[in-house]
Amino acid sequence: GQQLNQSPQSMFIQEGEDVSMNCTSSSIFNTWLWYKQEPGEGPVLLIALYKAGELTSNGRLTAQFGITRKDSFLNISASIPSDVGIYFCAGRGMEYGNKLVFGAGTILRVKS
Amino acid sequence: DVKVTQSSRYLVKRTGEKVFLECVQDMDHENMFWYRQDPGLGLRLIYFSYDVKMKEKGDIPEGYSVSREKKERFSLILESASTNQTSMYLCASSPPGGTQPQHFGDGTRLSIL
Repeated sequence: GQQLNQSPQSMFIQEGEDVSMNCTSSSIFNTWLWYKQEPGEGPVLLIALYKAGELTSNGRLTAQFGITRKDSFLNISASIPSDVGIYFCAGRGMEYGNKLVFGAGTILRVKS
Repeated sequence: DVKVTQSSRYLVKRTGEKVFLECVQDMDHENMFWYRQDPGLGLRLIYFSYDVKMKEKGDIPEGYSVSREKKERFSLILESASTNQTSMYLCASSPPGGTQPQHFGDGTRLSIL
């Protein structure tokens, strides 16, 4: 079954709006990653987080490693049409060895 | 930039056929992975490899096998394809150790008729 709970499942927002999505787990992770997948392509790494409490930005994207080490958040500010795609969180923790576990993804659609 | 290349973007095969999906990476990465992606389920790990001729089962290995004869190439094999193996297959690679992110290919959309 799914080891990470990612929400929301989908979002349909107006261009210019801010977007928030998150992932939670019952297990502790030591790495959180956020990927974006556009139609017909593989996931592309957006942000990598390695320390609890870490807040990292990549342009209009900001992600945080939760202090409990069981969650992570991704925010997109001032959305634009090219932000559309599926956003995946992924985590790595002792319980899963060297393997990444993935959320089910958040589908983002933007109305212009 | 890391380049992970999957040999086919789209593939259509028949039930019972033996199917080979090929993946090549050009960054001398030790680690390589095969996932399948299905709507609402995210990415699920099929097999992975930390070195040449080495392989380990992921979460859903049934019906699949892999081959890693060279460091840059990791092949996924469907021994006898079935319709429930229709899916998007993604290959990824990463440097050694447990901290580096994985880099993905563009995927192979496989349909089994």
